[in-house]
Amino acid sequence: GQQLNQSPQSMFIQEGEDVSMNCTSSSIFNTWLWYKQDPGEGPVLLIALYKAGELTSNGRLTAQFGITRKDSFLNISASIPSDVGIYFCAGLPPGSSNTGKLIFGQGTTLQVKP
Amino acid sequence: NAGVMQNPRHLVRRRGQEARLRCSPMKGHSHVYWYRQLPEEGLKFMVYLQKENIIDESGMPKERFSAEFPKEGPSILRIQQVVRGDSAAYFCASSLSYNEQFFGPGTRLTVL
Repeated sequence: GQQLNQSPQSMFIQEGEDVSMNCTSSSIFNTWLWYKQDPGEGPVLLIALYKAGELTSNGRLTAQFGITRKDSFLNISASIPSDVGIYFCAGLPPGSSNTGKLIFGQGTTLQVKP
Repeated sequence: NAGVMQNPRHLVRRRGQEARLRCSPMKGHSHVYWYRQLPEEGLKFMVYLQKENIIDESGMPKERFSAEFPKEGPSILRIQQVVRGDSAAYFCASSLSYNEQFFGPGTRLTVL
């Protein structure tokens, strides 16, 4: 089946640093979504991307839908302690365009040192 | 504007018992999804429902698991005769369209 590979698996950074993480697949996707999950909570939608090449920002977060439709990245600028959490990419493959069956990556765990 | 609500937040069952997980979608959302998350892993799709209809249940185990979204009331994920391997976090999501799904806080199921 289709898989999403997220990297890095974990990151430990200093407050104020920029962060970059990505998600790749051998298959194409029609939609890319980025979520953040805090311990004991559900994923919260951060950014949604719908077109190849699309670059979208949400405050200090920026995400891009790769031109090949097989990858996406998420950048966080000037990290702060509350950015700590697990970041998931999720993709909607072409065959699931009318069912919403999202495929999730394994997650990137971000820790920020004050 | 309430988000997706799930209850209970934590559920403990002994092997062989039944587990019922409830989900109320965001107001106005008619699409409901259930996902399962094992520790240290991403979410795995289980089932997609609209009111009174199961649209895609390709991710749901064939036995012991069922889901419904009745005309009135919340969506229910039902697990019969639970086993230890069913221990996981179960998340419900809802959406207006097929793309942007908004998740609830999840139900953590522990099977003793």
